[in-house]
Amino acid sequence: GNSVTQMEGPVTLSEEAFLTINCTYTATGYPSLFWYVQYPGEGLQLLLKATKADDKGSNKGFEATYRKETTSFHLEKGSVQVSDSAVYFCALTIGGSQGNLIFGKGTKLSVKP
Amino acid sequence: KAGVTQTPRYLIKTRGQQVTLSCSPISGHRSVSWYQQTPGQGLQFLFEYFSETQRNKGNFPGRFSGRQFSNSRSEMNVSTLELGDSALYLCASSLAEAYSNVLTFGAGSRLTVL
Repeated sequence: GNSVTQMEGPVTLSEEAFLTINCTYTATGYPSLFWYVQYPGEGLQLLLKATKADDKGSNKGFEATYRKETTSFHLEKGSVQVSDSAVYFCALTIGGSQGNLIFGKGTKLSVKP
Repeated sequence: KAGVTQTPRYLIKTRGQQVTLSCSPISGHRSVSWYQQTPGQGLQFLFEYFSETQRNKGNFPGRFSGRQFSNSRSEMNVSTLELGDSALYLCASSLAEAYSNVLTFGAGSRLTVL
């Protein structure tokens, strides 16, 4: 079946540190891949997406590259800020227009000043 | 433009009761999806409605149901509540465009079952 596995948290970093959150997937067909972020007390917000192999999604300094050969979509940021503290979810969907995302368990990031 | 609006934001029910949650999508969005978020199971897909028809359904018991109205607003209902139904219920809407579909989530309805 289709599934997403992301690294367990919590992850605690100092401000300006480099961030990597690993995400791998299993999918039948050709998935679209997403990273969503959930700030405390809020719903999920789309952070970035990639719809085909080798696509790179980027937003707010975050990047992730759709690697079909390793079935991965790791999230990276070169210099994190305190305001990046949140829970990050990797997700996939099969079939493009469908609204049924499959999410990873989420990784909680805490950035200390 | 207004985002996805979910009501109520918080509610407390007792076992055996039923609950109805409401979701108003972004204007022009025809697809509405519902998700359950719990600490143990994470985010799980409940169902998706598109043009008043259920298009996809997750692996939840029949106590969980939903519907969509002609103005794209959606409701979900949980009957005979159990303690394990305590969760944050998230609604998301989208244009349902092929291969570039982006879901916009509401802030959620937090249900506590006592």
